[in-house]
Amino acid sequence: AQTVTQSQPEMSVQEAETVTLSCTYDTSESNYYLFWYKQPPSRQMILVIRQEAYKQQNATENRFSVNFQKAAKSFSLKISDSQLGDTAMYFCAFMDRYSGAGSYQLTFGKGTKLSVIP
Amino acid sequence: NAGVTQTPKFRILKIGQSMTLQCTQDMNHNYMYWYRQDPGMGLKLIYYSVGAGITDKGEVPNGYNVSRSTTEDFPLRLELAAPSQTSVYFCASTSGQSEQYFGPGTRLTVT
Repeated sequence: AQTVTQSQPEMSVQEAETVTLSCTYDTSESNYYLFWYKQPPSRQMILVIRQEAYKQQNATENRFSVNFQKAAKSFSLKISDSQLGDTAMYFCAFMDRYSGAGSYQLTFGKGTKLSVIP
Repeated sequence: NAGVTQTPKFRILKIGQSMTLQCTQDMNHNYMYWYRQDPGMGLKLIYYSVGAGITDKGEVPNGYNVSRSTTEDFPLRLELAAPSQTSVYFCASTSGQSEQYFGPGTRLTVT
């Protein structure tokens, strides 16, 4: 079974600064997806960024980028130029690409609560 | 294209009552899921479905039932509600080729 670990329960960052959220995972699979989801106070789960394990290039979406280290099973999220609207819970998640006995299930970490300070 | 919709948004139940949480997706996804999220925690999988007529248990299925008669709908049934079922419930779907898309959630309180 896959596990996802987020070791930082809470973090804070000054507005306009950069912050990095950590995530490690454990799996025996070689082909999978990794995701970062954002959950603001509205509770809506919003996809921030996606990484396919077979792609060596780190994914980037505007101010959000990842550092994907496949051998180390590490998947950190960097938020540049932090904005007040980035205040939210951030969840790292793993999804096996092959259905097999599973069904593209997501395994979530426990989350990191990020506060952006004005 | 509404994505994943859930009803109701909020509900208060008395212990022992039953209810159905509705979930509908309009993306023609085969795979659908129900999660619960307890305060300060991540999401835990209750049930999932790989297509119409096929469902299976997730990590925390006790006290719940599901059905999948169509591709679009995946209702979650709570029988004999208990305080331990107080949580936020999310429905999600995916084609399997990308991320899961989530509904807005249902906040359920059992008193």
